[in-house]
Amino acid sequence: QKEVEQDPGPLSVPEGAIVSLNCTYSNSAFQYFMWYRQYSRKGPELLMYTYSSGNKEDGRFTAQVDKSSKYISLFIRDSQPSDSATYLCAMSIYTGANSKLTFGKGITLSVRP
Amino acid sequence: DTGVSQNPRHKITKRGQNVTFRCDPISEHNRLYWYRQTLGQGPEFLTYFQNEAQLEKSRLLSDRFSAERPKGSFSTLEIQRTEQGDSAMYLCASSFSGGTGELFFGEGSRLTVL
Repeated sequence: QKEVEQDPGPLSVPEGAIVSLNCTYSNSAFQYFMWYRQYSRKGPELLMYTYSSGNKEDGRFTAQVDKSSKYISLFIRDSQPSDSATYLCAMSIYTGANSKLTFGKGITLSVRP
Repeated sequence: DTGVSQNPRHKITKRGQNVTFRCDPISEHNRLYWYRQTLGQGPEFLTYFQNEAQLEKSRLLSDRFSAERPKGSFSTLEIQRTEQGDSAMYLCASSFSGGTGELFFGEGSRLTVL
C-alpha cells in the first residue's frame, strides 16, 4: 500500500461545476498537506497549504483536512476551463527544516466549456 | 525571472550515455530538492541539499545517479550509463528552511533514453 492514495481519474466536468478531489494517507506522522496543480509538461505549482484539520479557503478553492480519518480533499467551485490540469496532493512530516514531500499520483481534470 | 530554472528542458540520449541536468534555485532558498516523475505518477523524492550538504538520498537513487551542489547555489544531477527506465521528468525544487517549507518547482528536465 502506498503512503498516499489519490482517487483515480481522469475527471471531466462541465464549466461551472463543483469539483471534489480526494486523497487518503496511511502515515499518521504526516502533518502538513498541500495541493499542487500541474499543467501539461510543466512543473507543479503550489495551490493550497494547510497543517491543521478543518477547512482553508482561497478564492474558488477550499482545502479540507481530516486527520482522524487520514483524508484530505480539494474543492473547486465554479470550475473554469483554465482549471484543466493535473492535481497532486502532497504531504510531509516536517516543515521548514525538512519538507520532503510525498505525492499522490495525481488526477487529471478537464473542464468542458 | 526569479523562479527555479532547469536546463536542458529536454534531453534525448542513447542508452549507455551519460547525461547531466542543472538546476538554479530561487536565490534566497537554501534547500534544493530533486524529484523524478514518470508518466501518470506523482513526483518521487530523490535527494535534497541544505546549502552544499546532501542530507538525504532516496533508495531510488542508484549508484548511477549523483547529485552535487558545490557552492550551495546551483545543483547538477548526473545519470551515468543511462537505461530506458531512466526516461522521466526530473524536477528540481527549492525552499527556505526558515519558512513553512513550501517547495517551489522548476519546469523540469525531460529525459528520453532510446
